[in-house]
Amino acid sequence: GENVEQHPSTLSVQEGDSAVIKCTYSDSASNYFPWYKQELGKRPQLIIDIRSNVGEKKDQRIAVTLNKTAKHFSLHITETQPEDSAVYFCAASIKGGGNKLTFGTGTQLKVEL
Amino acid sequence: DTGVSQNPRHKITKRGQNVTFRCDPISEHNRLYWYRQTLGQGPEFLTYFQNEAQLEKSRLLSDRFSAERPKGSFSTLEIQRTEQGDSAMYLCASSLVGHDTNTEAFFGQGTRLTVV
Repeated sequence: GENVEQHPSTLSVQEGDSAVIKCTYSDSASNYFPWYKQELGKRPQLIIDIRSNVGEKKDQRIAVTLNKTAKHFSLHITETQPEDSAVYFCAASIKGGGNKLTFGTGTQLKVEL
Repeated sequence: DTGVSQNPRHKITKRGQNVTFRCDPISEHNRLYWYRQTLGQGPEFLTYFQNEAQLEKSRLLSDRFSAERPKGSFSTLEIQRTEQGDSAMYLCASSLVGHDTNTEAFFGQGTRLTVV
């Protein structure tokens, strides 16, 4: 089955700096890659996603890049703010495989003032 | 709140007891997923339904676990003879999947189970 690895497990940045979280996946059939943000005690919420026919997608301060050849994808947050502090999960799924998500182990992002 | 709703939010039970959780998905969503999340880990897939049909079960779903979605709307997840290792957050998610539609998965707030 699919295996998703995520790095780093913790990331501390100064407010205004950029943060980058990287994930790799194992199944070349995966074609959908969402990123979820989970604040303490709350539900995971989708912040951005990318499909395999696209190499990069941007939404304001958040961007995701996908390298299908290398089977890795990354989340980029620019101009970080304290409210960006949370756990971020990458995931991968296969359309036709039930769309079930295989998640990474998460990155605890802390944005310091 | 018109999102995915889960009840109860918290459940403490003694080892060996049975527990049942409920998930109410977004009303027009045909797919419903159950995930389990332990501390410091990402959610792990347990099972999913397309309308009322249970289409896949993970190996994580032992025979003590059973899930239903009898009318293709809400779903229940039952754990029989609970063990301390069952302590986790149980998350439900729903989405709409069709020929030309494939929405994101929306998660509920989860049911936190503690087995003592």
